[in-house]
Amino acid sequence: EPEVTQTPSHQVTQMGQEVILRCVPISNHLYFYWYRQILGQKVEFLVSFYNNEISEKSEIFDDQFSVERPDGSNFTLKIRSTKLEDSAMYFCASSETTGELFFGEGSRLTVL
Amino acid sequence: ELKVEQNPLFLSMQEGKNYTIYCNYSTTSDRLYWYRQDPGKSLESLFVLLSNGAVKQEGRLMASLDTKARLSTLHITAAVHDLSATYFCAGGDLQETSGSRLTFGEGTQLTVNP
Repeated sequence: EPEVTQTPSHQVTQMGQEVILRCVPISNHLYFYWYRQILGQKVEFLVSFYNNEISEKSEIFDDQFSVERPDGSNFTLKIRSTKLEDSAMYFCASSETTGELFFGEGSRLTVL
Repeated sequence: ELKVEQNPLFLSMQEGKNYTIYCNYSTTSDRLYWYRQDPGKSLESLFVLLSNGAVKQEGRLMASLDTKARLSTLHITAAVHDLSATYFCAGGDLQETSGSRLTFGEGTQLTVNP
């Protein structure tokens, strides 16, 4: 069964460093998303991406965040200068036109 | 802005018992989703409910949607230990140009005890 894959599964970084989280969405899906979940809290929307551009973003997705689809398969989330409060599980998801989202296994980011 | 509230947030139940998790949402939403999350794991899609009166069942779980009351329920029948997990409901409209921006509830942490 097709699935969304994410790397790395866990990354530890120092405050102020740049981090890139990578995702390979399901191949025939058209919409791509990043969500995050701070430990013990609910899942929050960060950004959606469609037709090679950001289609919607939340107030969390400020200037330190960016997304890219550098080729036909990868979808990346970059955090330019990490802060302690960026520590969370970051989930990539994709969907086709039906709207059902399929989530990857997540990338746990720990900022020290 | 869509708000989604679940209750209870914590649920401890015995094997073999029935229980219902409730999900209220604040404004209209095209669709309502239920996800399961095991500790440290991803979100597994359980149900997508698209219309008023929709009912879907999979094994011991049954989900329903009442759009007039803005309420969805996840009913657990004869619980077993394997159902222990956190269950999230989420709402959101499907937009052609942006997909589905989901708003999640806080989650219900279910523990099924032998």
